[in-house]
Amino acid sequence: QSVLTQPPSASGTPGQRVTISCSGSSSNIGSSTVNWYQQLPGTAPKLLIYSNNQRPSGVPDRFSGSKSGTSASLAISGLHSEDEADYYCAAWDDSLNGWVFGGGTKLTVL
Amino acid sequence: QVQLVQSGAEVKKPGSSVKVSCKASGGTFSSYAISWVRQAPGQGLEWMGGIIPIFGTANYAQKFQGRVTITADASTSTAYMELSSLRSEDTAVYYCARVWTRQLVYFDCLGYWGQGTLVTVSS
Repeated sequence: QSVLTQPPSASGTPGQRVTISCSGSSSNIGSSTVNWYQQLPGTAPKLLIYSNNQRPSGVPDRFSGSKSGTSASLAISGLHSEDEADYYCAAWDDSLNGWVFGGGTKLTVL
Repeated sequence: QVQLVQSGAEVKKPGSSVKVSCKASGGTFSSYAISWVRQAPGQGLEWMGGIIPIFGTANYAQKFQGRVTITADASTSTAYMELSSLRSEDTAVYYCARVWTRQLVYFDCLGYWGQGTLVTVSS
């Protein structure tokens, strides 16, 4: 059971906009910034969004993040087939003194 | 550019130990926290602990306290994760990851990841 809660799956057609939610508590999302990772099959996670809504260099602006209270969300607009991957949210937890992750959301591009 | 290169796949017997290495290149090694994150087959990511090499002492997730040892060798820019008393449930890909930009803290995002090391525990 993951500390952060994500839907196990999401889907959309090419060109659509999809959002993935991430719910936590006051000790993690509520007191820290949220990061999002994209994991393609058989590869290591890749940093997609950091500090709630910042994109590392090279990440398309189709990807955006937001946070409100103890929840966060990742939005992907103009869906591409290559966006099909697993997406994880993460935050530092002050009570556990460590990183906590969501269980991951498998995005399918129909 | 920061790169993390991990040691190769391991097959271990239940009850034994495994030690995985993570060699960093590009950038200062000692001031940036390195974490270890594992992923069981078909499962999500799980933080095991981390170390800031210049401080020397590690920070462990409660679940792994007493069974995991994380160390770092600044002379070779290499971090290590040793997991003991292995059981089948420890079969997973183990990743090392370094913080993005901030020195001397664990809570900066994990921006650089190694390629992963598959550890298989089987009799």
